[in-house]
Amino acid sequence: NAGVTQTPKFQVLKTGQSMTLQCAQDMNHEYMSWYRQDPGMGLRLIHYSVGAGITDQGEVPNGYNVSRSTTEDFPLRLLSAAPSQTSVYFCASSQGAPPPYEQYFGPGTRLTVT
Amino acid sequence: AQKITQTQPGMFVQEKEAVTLDCTYDTSDQSYGLFWYKQPSSGEMIFLIYQGSYDEQNATEGRYSLNFQKARKSANLVISASQLGDSAMYFCAMREGLDTGGFKTIFGAGTRLFVKA
Repeated sequence: NAGVTQTPKFQVLKTGQSMTLQCAQDMNHEYMSWYRQDPGMGLRLIHYSVGAGITDQGEVPNGYNVSRSTTEDFPLRLLSAAPSQTSVYFCASSQGAPPPYEQYFGPGTRLTVT
Repeated sequence: AQKITQTQPGMFVQEKEAVTLDCTYDTSDQSYGLFWYKQPSSGEMIFLIYQGSYDEQNATEGRYSLNFQKARKSANLVISASQLGDSAMYFCAMREGLDTGGFKTIFGAGTRLFVKA
């Protein structure tokens, strides 16, 4: 049981490049989310999904796309990277019930955009 | 719009003492959940404790307890008998709409705790 896995661990992009951050979970969780973590700002929700085929925007969705074709995978696409997207990205998953509804986080991807 | 406020950017505590990390939240929903997570310097996110809005008793998990004051919209984390390994970043989070399948979870900016030997 690997939990939540993210690839790559580190990535450097040039402004304007696109890329996909991968996230997979093997716990059959319904819910998955993407967050970015910037110093002093905690974790901000980018996009989330409540099941295969269903996604919604979070607090900071601009510049990112997601899709959820399977329960296991929830990739995050950067369409045209900008320096403002330099951050640590976390993927998380959670079951719908019962409580405590905690999220299981991946190890994170550190992205630098130059 | 929901909002989580953690007003203490940094806190110091002496080893073996208790410490309270503050969290206030803003929601008009009646059914919601409150969470605390720990992030050590290694970067992983560790779930600590959960409190449901309808729970009548404060949640406890080992040395962690959540001081839930619903009318004041506060959900403070209390760590008893602090240990050096408690030095980390602590995040408060909230998920609304539990009774309607809501999932969106919002985090506060965090409090960095330093435990002194």
